Amino acid sequence: QQQVKQSPQSLIVQKGGIPIINCAYENTAFDYFPWYQQFPGKGPALLIAIRPDVSEKKEGRFTISFNKSAKQFSLHIMDSQPGDSATYFCAASKTSGSRLTFGEGTQLTVNP
Amino acid sequence: DAEITQSPRHKITETGRQVTLACHQTWNHNNMFWYRQDLGHGLRLIHYSYGVQDTNKGEVSDGYSVSRSNTEDLPLTLESAASSQTSVYFCASGDRVGLNEQFFGPGTRLTVL
Repeated sequence: QQQVKQSPQSLIVQKGGIPIINCAYENTAFDYFPWYQQFPGKGPALLIAIRPDVSEKKEGRFTISFNKSAKQFSLHIMDSQPGDSATYFCAASKTSGSRLTFGEGTQLTVNP
Repeated sequence: DAEITQSPRHKITETGRQVTLACHQTWNHNNMFWYRQDLGHGLRLIHYSYGVQDTNKGEVSDGYSVSRSNTEDLPLTLESAASSQTSVYFCASGDRVGLNEQFFGPGTRLTVL
């Protein structure tokens, strides 16, 4: 069963826009929520991650918002650039283990 | 520099053949993982290992096997390839200590005809 649901499947924005990708999880034991970024022909790479003791984490133009009660978290990309065009995956795991459960992925296109 | 490599990068095989995909990491990570990536399904875990001689099934393990004889390598074997196993396969490694970050290889594109 899919324990992490991600939406939308694809997203197109103009340069400077703020794309938002959403994820929802089911397992309340999850306590680590990373986002991975994947460029065509490459493996995914860690972008940013959050733990549920904070509601927001920001690194550069990338922000994770976390809503523990709703079991949802989202990625916001400020001032998006064409170089941000990639596939983004949310994921979740328990701290005590290292297995990651991934969402279905979002293909982001940022037009110039 | 430490890295994780996969070989081959592309493979075409026929239904029923046995295929082995290689994964090698030089980070000395205890944890290694195999995923398959298919459109609309994201990354799905096939098998994983927490150390030498340890292997575990993931969510889509049927038709696949792994073995871990040393820290650096986790080969993935398709016992009898099926067209449903046409996919892009990623190997990853990570360290239990820390934030569970996984480092991914470049992937192997497998086509089963």
